[in-house]
Amino acid sequence: NAGVMQNPRHLVRRRGQEARLRCSPMKGHSHVYWYRQLPEEGLKFMVYLQKENIIDESGMPKERFSAEFPKEGPSILRIQQVVRGDSAAYFCASSPRGVVGPGGVNIQYFGAGTRLSVL
Amino acid sequence: DQQVKQNSPSLSVQEGRISILNCDYTNSMFDYFLWYKKYPAEGPTFLISISSIKDKNEDGRFTVFLNKSAKHLSLHIVPSQPGDSAVYFCAADDQGAQKLVFGQGTRLTINP
Repeated sequence: NAGVMQNPRHLVRRRGQEARLRCSPMKGHSHVYWYRQLPEEGLKFMVYLQKENIIDESGMPKERFSAEFPKEGPSILRIQQVVRGDSAAYFCASSPRGVVGPGGVNIQYFGAGTRLSVL
Repeated sequence: DQQVKQNSPSLSVQEGRISILNCDYTNSMFDYFLWYKKYPAEGPTFLISISSIKDKNEDGRFTVFLNKSAKHLSLHIVPSQPGDSAVYFCAADDQGAQKLVFGQGTRLTINP
């Protein structure tokens, strides 16, 4: 399967527990992005990572959320002490490159998402 | 601050006719724009893109038009097919920062 793989597809947590969402980018892609979608809304950027580096985390809540993309293995979005407001669909995307030149387009390819439900 | 807006939450079109989905933006520094299609319980699927230096891009049944002076872009699908029924999102790259800004989406329904 050459696509962006996310797991689990569905995750149920009780308030106060931790949620770990995993994302394996497309083969050959070294740039990973995480987005969150609340019901009836568009996707909101959270964080942009390259291998072992966080490039831009301007969309991440200041507390309880963290992300990593280690040298080996998938990218992980971690939410500590989940609250009901964290219930959403979390999408990961990948691209083969980052910055493009004038007139260029960097296409991000998305996974199927993880639907987090906090009870 | 909604920088990318899709003002029509839904659109219904007859099969075989043209579907036109609209998107407005406020930031004149956006470098490029993309349209994604999304089915329920799936991730967004890339459809077509356009750089800010162009005003039209075409790929099969899909054409995107960009009007920079009006800060408006549109996606044309012709002819529309039942499989086109989905939610369509317009997205813009935030000044080369590699983070996409999405509109709220338009639900397109193609009627037989």
